[in-house]
Amino acid sequence: SQQGEEDPQALSIQEGENATMNCSYKTSINNLQWYRQNSGRGLVHLILIRSNEREKHSGRLRVTLDTSKKSSSLLITASRAADTASYFCATELTSGTYKYIFGTGTRLKVLA
Amino acid sequence: DAGVIQSPRHEVTEMGQEVTLRCKPISGHNSLFWYRQTMMRGLELLIYFNNNVPIDDSGMPEDRFSAKMPNASFSTLKIQPSEPRDSAVYFCASSFTKEKLFFGSGTQLSVL
Repeated sequence: SQQGEEDPQALSIQEGENATMNCSYKTSINNLQWYRQNSGRGLVHLILIRSNEREKHSGRLRVTLDTSKKSSSLLITASRAADTASYFCATELTSGTYKYIFGTGTRLKVLA
Repeated sequence: DAGVIQSPRHEVTEMGQEVTLRCKPISGHNSLFWYRQTMMRGLELLIYFNNNVPIDDSGMPEDRFSAKMPNASFSTLKIQPSEPRDSAVYFCASSFTKEKLFFGSGTQLSVL
């Protein structure tokens, strides 16, 4: 079964708009990570947020974490056509095992 | 740095044949992960190694699948005999911190 579930499954926006993706998970975590996957390529690490952090920024990316709700969100501001990709959250199935499980992903399409 | 290198990039084989997928992790990384990605099941963790030792292979679907890591710079995933339902993209990822995974470009496997 999936540890993480992203929502929405697909998102289509205009260039310049903000994109928000959500991730829900099931177990306690040490950290949560977000990855991007361009079509036909491997995943690329974007950002990591630890369980004792509530918000983190990296460039146009903003990640929030709510451990009480077991959820995280990824916000991409001022989106570009190059942001078109699938986005996945990843969490450890069991804290401390480094056994990372990926969610189902959100397919983002940014229209120029 | 060349990143994680996987070969072959594409593999087409017939049912019953042996398939060997190869991975060269990033130099200095001490953890290696094999994932499988399909539309139906998303990204599944098959097995991961730490310091060349298999730590968890509970994700390996059947005895037909085996993985080895004879040294720090090479790993293989073997399927024998292969079946059409094994068709997927197989990713190898390596890590130094176990908190940030670096993925290869994947091997697209088609079993006819």
